[in-house]
Amino acid sequence: AQTVTQSQPEMSVQEAETVTLSCTYDTSESDYYLFWYKQPPSRQMILVIRQEAYKQQNATENRFSVNFQKAAKSFSLKISDSQLGDAAMYFCASFGNEKLTFGTGTRLTIIP
Amino acid sequence: EADIYQTPRYLVIGTGKKITLECSQTMGHDKMYWYQQDPGMELHLIHYSYGVNSTEKGDLSSESTVSRIRTEHFPLTLESARPSHTSQYLCASSGGRNFGQGARETQYFGPGTRLLVL
Repeated sequence: AQTVTQSQPEMSVQEAETVTLSCTYDTSESDYYLFWYKQPPSRQMILVIRQEAYKQQNATENRFSVNFQKAAKSFSLKISDSQLGDAAMYFCASFGNEKLTFGTGTRLTIIP
Repeated sequence: EADIYQTPRYLVIGTGKKITLECSQTMGHDKMYWYQQDPGMELHLIHYSYGVNSTEKGDLSSESTVSRIRTEHFPLTLESARPSHTSQYLCASSGGRNFGQGARETQYFGPGTRLLVL
């Protein structure tokens, strides 16, 4: 079984600053994938970034990067140069054994 | 954004009515999923399919049913809607065997259907 824990229900950041969202997971799978998804208010869930567990290098997509600590089972998301459009619920998810398990989400507010 | 579509986007309906939520994808994905999500909450898997004529129940028990007659289409049906079915329903798809590692496991989501049963 997989579990995903997001311990920060809400976060806020000043526009143009950097923010880090935390996620820890637990899995018995040796081959798994980790994801961050973004869900803006009343809008579609979209993929932010993907990390293959077998890769040591941290994934990066433009202003979004992860800090993947496999031994600690930690998978945090860093958003640099925060923009108003980054305001959303962010869900961490773990894929293993054909199932995608989501955390409870972190609501990110951007302060102009 | 991914090419996965859901209709209707919003539905208000009375108790006891039969409803079908539509989901279609044009990405050639083998796998499709239905999730239930209450506002601001996590997603719970209620149904999934690995291909045509394949359907399985997810982790969250649901009174809904699904079918997969065509690869691109995965409708969800509630025979008799109740207020407890009020929620948001998200459809997703992922690559399957014809896609590379990584892409196979990545799920792409539709815009969702917000259902309100009175």
